[in-house]
Amino acid sequence: GQNIDQPTEMTATEGAIVQINCTYQTSGFNGLFWYQQHAGEAPTFLSYNVLDGLEEKGRFSSFLSRSKGYSYLLLKELQMKDSASYLCAVRGLGSGNTPLVFGKGTRLSVIA
Amino acid sequence: NAGVTQTPKFRVLKTGQSMTLLCAQDMNHEYMYWYRQDPGMGLRLIHYSVGEGTTAKGEVPDGYNVSRLKKQNFLLGLESAAPSQTSVYFCASNPPGGAHEQFFGPGTRLTVL
Repeated sequence: GQNIDQPTEMTATEGAIVQINCTYQTSGFNGLFWYQQHAGEAPTFLSYNVLDGLEEKGRFSSFLSRSKGYSYLLLKELQMKDSASYLCAVRGLGSGNTPLVFGKGTRLSVIA
Repeated sequence: NAGVTQTPKFRVLKTGQSMTLLCAQDMNHEYMYWYRQDPGMGLRLIHYSVGEGTTAKGEVPDGYNVSRLKKQNFLLGLESAAPSQTSVYFCASNPPGGAHEQFFGPGTRLTVL
């Protein structure tokens, strides 16, 4: 089975930096994804990690440690529009393309 | 490209009624998925398909059926709707390969009274 944990809610100040953690336990590992989901909208892809280390993409970075079953999403220079839910998802090993398993999401509120 | 589209966007059903949700993608993706999203529960996989004519069960398949008669379409059916099926339903698709992200449709908000 697979288990993915992330904090339920976080609050941060505009212009600051916030780190959203995700821990996972899976039967095999074939990549970790982060999605952003604004209220009432569909999830949209943010980042993908399959090897250990940091992937940077503009204001967003994602880190992975496979040995620790741990990832984080780092958001810099927070803006009000970053208020959203952030979903951590893991793809396990299997024949063909294994579906993503999602955590319950972290609701981030950015305040002035 | 329209990407992934879902029909309808909203629907209200009475207990026991049936309906079909349609998902269509124009990206020639092999893999398609149906998720439901409930408050505090995250996205849970209902059924998925790895190609035309194939379907497989996900985490929460009971009460739902699916069909993939054409590569671009993935249908989700509720034969006898129950209030517990009140949810937001998302369809997603992706090409083969583990590195590819899933592309999501806009969602269908279903209420069962």
